[in-house]
Amino acid sequence: AQTVTQSQPEMSVQEAETVTLSCTYDTSESNYYLFWYKQPPSRQMILVIRQEAYKQQNATENRFSVNFQKAAKSFSLKISDSQLGDTAMYFCAFMKQWTGGADGLTFGKGTHLIIQP
Amino acid sequence: DSGVTQTPKHLITATGQRVTLRCSPRSGDLSVYWYQQSLDQGLQFLIHYYNGEERAKGNILERFSAQQFPDLHSELNLSSLELGDSALYFCASSAAGTLNEKLFFGSGTQLSVL
Repeated sequence: AQTVTQSQPEMSVQEAETVTLSCTYDTSESNYYLFWYKQPPSRQMILVIRQEAYKQQNATENRFSVNFQKAAKSFSLKISDSQLGDTAMYFCAFMKQWTGGADGLTFGKGTHLIIQP
Repeated sequence: DSGVTQTPKHLITATGQRVTLRCSPRSGDLSVYWYQQSLDQGLQFLIHYYNGEERAKGNILERFSAQQFPDLHSELNLSSLELGDSALYFCASSAAGTLNEKLFFGSGTQLSVL
């Protein structure tokens, strides 16, 4: 079974700063997907970014980028020019590829990110 | 708006009771996943249905069951409820195909067992 660990329960930064959220995972799978989901106070789960393990290039979505280190089983999320609307819980998640997503996502415990004005 | 609809948004009930949570996936999506989010357990995968058939089970209690109907909506049935079942229950859907890695989540049903 795979596990996902987020070691930072809470982080707080000033608006416009850059912040990095950490995530490590443990798996024996060689092909998989990694995700960052955002859960704002509305509690809606919103996909922020995804990474295929077979791709060496780090995924980027506007102000959000990842640092994927497959050998180290590390998948951190960098948020540049942070905005007040980025305040949310952020969850790192793992999905095996070979099952076609049958057993869904394995989530970490989350990091509560607070953007201060 | 993700396109996934969950009803009701809030549910308050008593221990020992039975409730049904409903999920309508995005138009055209064949897969429905159910997740439970609680403070102590975090987000846990419960069960996955694909086109009416069960595909995978996660940490789902025997008191819980689910089904997916021909119109692809799904229901999660929780019975003999206990205080510890209080949680936010999400459903998510994904499109058909061999790579169902993009899940779209509903806004959840907040269950309070008193």
